[in-house]
Amino acid sequence: GQQVMQIPQYQHVQEGEDFTTYCNSSTTLSNIQWYKQRPGGHPVFLIQLVKSGEVKKQKRLTFQFGEAKKNSSLHITATQTTDVGTYFCAGPSGGTSYGKLTFGQGTILTVHP
Amino acid sequence: GAGVSQSPSNKVTEKGKDVELRCDPISGHTALYWYRQSLGQGLEFLIYFQGNSAPDKSGLPSDRFSAERTGGSVSTLTIQRTQQEDSAVYLCASSFGQNGYTFGSGTRLTVV
Repeated sequence: GQQVMQIPQYQHVQEGEDFTTYCNSSTTLSNIQWYKQRPGGHPVFLIQLVKSGEVKKQKRLTFQFGEAKKNSSLHITATQTTDVGTYFCAGPSGGTSYGKLTFGQGTILTVHP
Repeated sequence: GAGVSQSPSNKVTEKGKDVELRCDPISGHTALYWYRQSLGQGLEFLIYFQGNSAPDKSGLPSDRFSAERTGGSVSTLTIQRTQQEDSAVYLCASSFGQNGYTFGSGTRLTVV
């Protein structure tokens, strides 16, 4: 079945440093979504990328979708303590554009002040 | 409602007892999903509803797990004869069309 892998599993940074997490799917995706889960909280939707090679920005966060639509990345510039949490990527299963999402195992980000 | 509501927020049950977890999705969201998250782990898919039907039940771990959705709204996840390995946070999410999921705050289930 479809697999979605994320690296790294953990990342510890000093406040102000940049952070990147990478996501790879075993199958081509119609879209990819990113979620953030704060410690003790629930996942919160950040963004959806649909087009091959798409790049979207949200303030200090930059999201990319690969040309082959099998990989994606999330880059945070100048991390802040509020960025702490687990970042998950997720893609629809079975080549569909909706329905069940398969989630990566997440990257846990720790930011030291 | 404004968000996805799950109840109870916490449930401690004895091994072998049955439990029911409830999810009230955002009004108008046709799709509803149940996931499970064990401590420090990722999100494990359980079941997906489109309206009242469940096109994908492939993630239910065993026949002790069942779920239903009525009126295209509230869903109940039932776990019969609970086991210690069932301990986890059970997350419900809803969505409309091709938009992202909105998750509830989850039910933390502890089987003792």
